[in-house]
Amino acid sequence: SQQGEEDPQALSIQEGENATMNCSYKTSINNLQWYRQNSGRGLVHLILIRSNEREKHSGRLRVTLDTSKKSSSLLITASRAADTASYFCATAPSGNTPLVFGKGTRLSVIA
Amino acid sequence: NAGVTQTPKFQVLKTGQSMTLQCAQDMNHEYMSWYRQDPGMGLRLIHYSVGAGITDQGEVPNGYNVSRSTTEDFPLRLLSAAPSQTSVYFCASSYDYRDNEKLFFGSGTQLSVL
Repeated sequence: SQQGEEDPQALSIQEGENATMNCSYKTSINNLQWYRQNSGRGLVHLILIRSNEREKHSGRLRVTLDTSKKSSSLLITASRAADTASYFCATAPSGNTPLVFGKGTRLSVIA
Repeated sequence: NAGVTQTPKFQVLKTGQSMTLQCAQDMNHEYMSWYRQDPGMGLRLIHYSVGAGITDQGEVPNGYNVSRSTTEDFPLRLLSAAPSQTSVYFCASSYDYRDNEKLFFGSGTQLSVL
């Protein structure tokens, strides 16, 4: 069963704009992770935020976590055509449970 | 440092055939897992292993078999292929399973069952 659900399913923006994707989940978590998948490739880990953290930055990425609302958001600032990919959130209900992935958001950045 | 290596990259099978998807990692990771990715379904966990000699079922284990005889290798066996097993298969590993550390993914195997 899906633990995390991303929203929107698809997003199309112009180069230079910011892109925001959201993830909602159902149970308490140990941490939440975001991954990127370029077409025809494997997933690549972007960022991990633990349940006791509220915000984390990595380069042009900003992730927030609201455990009271069971939701997270991924913000990509000043997007580039190379950011075109699918983005997945992944959660685990506890430290001894495998990660469960959502269905992903397809981001298209138009040059 | 190769990371996670999957072979083959592409495979076509006939219904009823069996085959093994190979996965190897050279990072001394304890945890290894297999996911399948279908359009509109995201990634679903098939089987996973927290160390050599230990395996467990994920969300969609039926029709698949795994073993973990070494830390490096985690093959996925399709016992009798069915068209419903047409999918892209990903192997992933991580160093410390107990803290849900980040996963490293292979490049995938695209399988078609006719």
